Amino acid sequence: EPEVTQTPSHQVTQMGQEVILRCVPISNHLYFYWYRQILGQKVEFLVSFYNNEISEKSEIFDDQFSVERPDGSNFTLKIRSTKLEDSAMYFCASTSGTGAPGTPGDTQYFGPGTRLTVL
Amino acid sequence: RKEVEQDPGPFNVPEGATVAFNCTYSNSASQSFFWYRQDCRKEPKLLMSVYSSGNEDGRFTAQLNRASQYISLLIRDSKLSDSATYLCVVNAVRNNDMRFGAGTRLTVKP
Repeated sequence: EPEVTQTPSHQVTQMGQEVILRCVPISNHLYFYWYRQILGQKVEFLVSFYNNEISEKSEIFDDQFSVERPDGSNFTLKIRSTKLEDSAMYFCASTSGTGAPGTPGDTQYFGPGTRLTVL
Repeated sequence: RKEVEQDPGPFNVPEGATVAFNCTYSNSASQSFFWYRQDCRKEPKLLMSVYSSGNEDGRFTAQLNRASQYISLLIRDSKLSDSATYLCVVNAVRNNDMRFGAGTRLTVKP
């Protein structure tokens, strides 16, 4: 069964450093997403991406964040200058976006996440 | 009002029990509804989509009431392996972000 993959599984960085989190969405999917989950809190939407551009972003996704699809398979999240409060689990998700509501084509599938620790 | 609100839990039930989770959402234009399951420090995994007519998948039954903006999940004959956090998820705009509830933690005990 196709899966969303993410690397690295755990990233430790110093405050102020840049990090790039990588994701390989499911191959025939067209819509890509980043979410984050601070330990003990709910999953929060960051950004959605379609047709090589951001389609929606949350207020969390400020100028420190950027996303890119550098080739046909990878989808990356860059945090330019990390802060302590960026420590969280970051999940990538994808969907084909082709199905009626409630069908598999309407469902977002999540990668295993990257645990980012900012020291 | 929170966008997606769930029973805070935790629910601690014995094996074989029936347990029900409730969820309400604030955006009446919401189109798609899901229950995801999340194990500790893992990614959310789709448990089931929720259809207007209600749907069942084995021991799991989901119901949607659009008029009341209410979603439920019923687990029958609960197993130890059902122990997890159950996330109510609503997609307001197709193919855009999903809004998550805070989750309801379930522990099934022998």
